[in-house]
Amino acid sequence: DVQMTQSPSYLAASPGESVSISCKASKSINTYLAWYQEKPGKTNKLLIYSGSTLQSGTPSRFSGSGSGTDFTLTIRSLEPEDFAVYYCQQHNEYPWTFGGGTKLELK
Amino acid sequence: EVQLQESGPGLVKPSQSLSLTCSVTGYSITSNYWGWIRKFPGNKMEWMGYISYSGSTSYNPSLKSRISITRDTSKNQFFLQLNSVTTEDTATYYCARGIRGKIFDYWGQGVMVTVSS
Repeated sequence: DVQMTQSPSYLAASPGESVSISCKASKSINTYLAWYQEKPGKTNKLLIYSGSTLQSGTPSRFSGSGSGTDFTLTIRSLEPEDFAVYYCQQHNEYPWTFGGGTKLELK
Repeated sequence: EVQLQESGPGLVKPSQSLSLTCSVTGYSITSNYWGWIRKFPGNKMEWMGYISYSGSTSYNPSLKSRISITRDTSKNQFFLQLNSVTTEDTATYYCARGIRGKIFDYWGQGVMVTVSS
């Protein structure tokens, strides 16, 4: 199975700042990476797939980049509703696998 | 709007079977793919498997001997059965719609299942 490693596990930031979350695959997954947002009391939200394609409804302050084994989720100008847990997931190779999550906390 | 809702017992005894239902509204399960994903304590997530629009299934090899996903199209529901559970199957279980089976665009709220005697 492809192992997905996210860093950092925790990240503290303030509204208005920009942050980046890294996701590394144990082997090349081309550009087939998705990002999800998890918030208490809400269903998980697909933000980005295929590395950089924004899902309908995802604000433009979110962006995804990378290919091969190294990927980044960037959130520009954080809004209060962005504080959440973020997961990456590779959709290149069966079985699909997830990263361990990054908790973005309010500083 | 597509909505999914998991239901089932929150406590299962070791060696027994875990059975969950996912009820879907706003979209027919005879289209697209419908999967189960679980999140363990500590936040590790695992894709478990899916059932397709045609009724075909695909399972994570790590679970292949214990898992079954079925459906009732008349009720627009699909089901998870996991046999011979151990305490390591304690997790929050999610159902989700999977684009091509592998990108999950709609999720349920999740149901926490504890395996304990």
